Amino acid sequence: EPEVTQTPSHQVTQMGQEVILRCVPISNHLYFYWYRQILGQKVEFLVSFYNNEISEKSEIFDDQFSVERPDGSNFTLKIRSTKLEDSAMYFCASRGEVQGYGYTFGSGTRLTVV
Amino acid sequence: KQEVTQIPAALSVPEGENLVLNCSFTDSAIYNLQWFRQDPGKGLTSLLLIQSSQREQTSGRLNASLDKSSGRSTLYIAASQPGDSATYLCAVPAGGNNRLAFGKGNQVVVIP
Repeated sequence: EPEVTQTPSHQVTQMGQEVILRCVPISNHLYFYWYRQILGQKVEFLVSFYNNEISEKSEIFDDQFSVERPDGSNFTLKIRSTKLEDSAMYFCASRGEVQGYGYTFGSGTRLTVV
Repeated sequence: KQEVTQIPAALSVPEGENLVLNCSFTDSAIYNLQWFRQDPGKGLTSLLLIQSSQREQTSGRLNASLDKSSGRSTLYIAASQPGDSATYLCAVPAGGNNRLAFGKGNQVVVIP
């Protein structure tokens, strides 16, 4: 069964530092997403990416956040200057082109900002 | 704006009982609904994807029904086992690019 792979599984960083979360989506998928889940809260949409550009972003996804697909396989989320409130589980997801296809999620990166 | 609500928020049942988890959503213009399982501190595992044209979808002991017009889905888990203890999340597409809107989950504990 194809998987979405995320690294690292856990990252601890100091407030104000930059972090890059990495994802390898399923190879023939075309839509890529980042979601986050603060402890005890709902999974929230951050950004969607299609055809090498952002197709939609939420109000959470401010100028501190950026995404990139630097090559044919990786999809990254960068947080430029982390805040305490960025501590959360970050999930990458991908799906195929046909709208009826479901989403496949990675196992997540737990980001702790201290 | 698509809002997803899951009831009950938490439940504990003895092993062997059937589980009934409810999900409701406000915008019925969806083309599918997906149920996920989440273990504590872990990722999201897709359980069932039910298309808007379907009334139900089954996988082993799991059965999901969808009543699109009334904005409801139910996940049934037959003959629960302790290994079914987890949080079950319901998600529906929202917005033009089909991002998902999630409920807060049904947290299930199956007591041996």
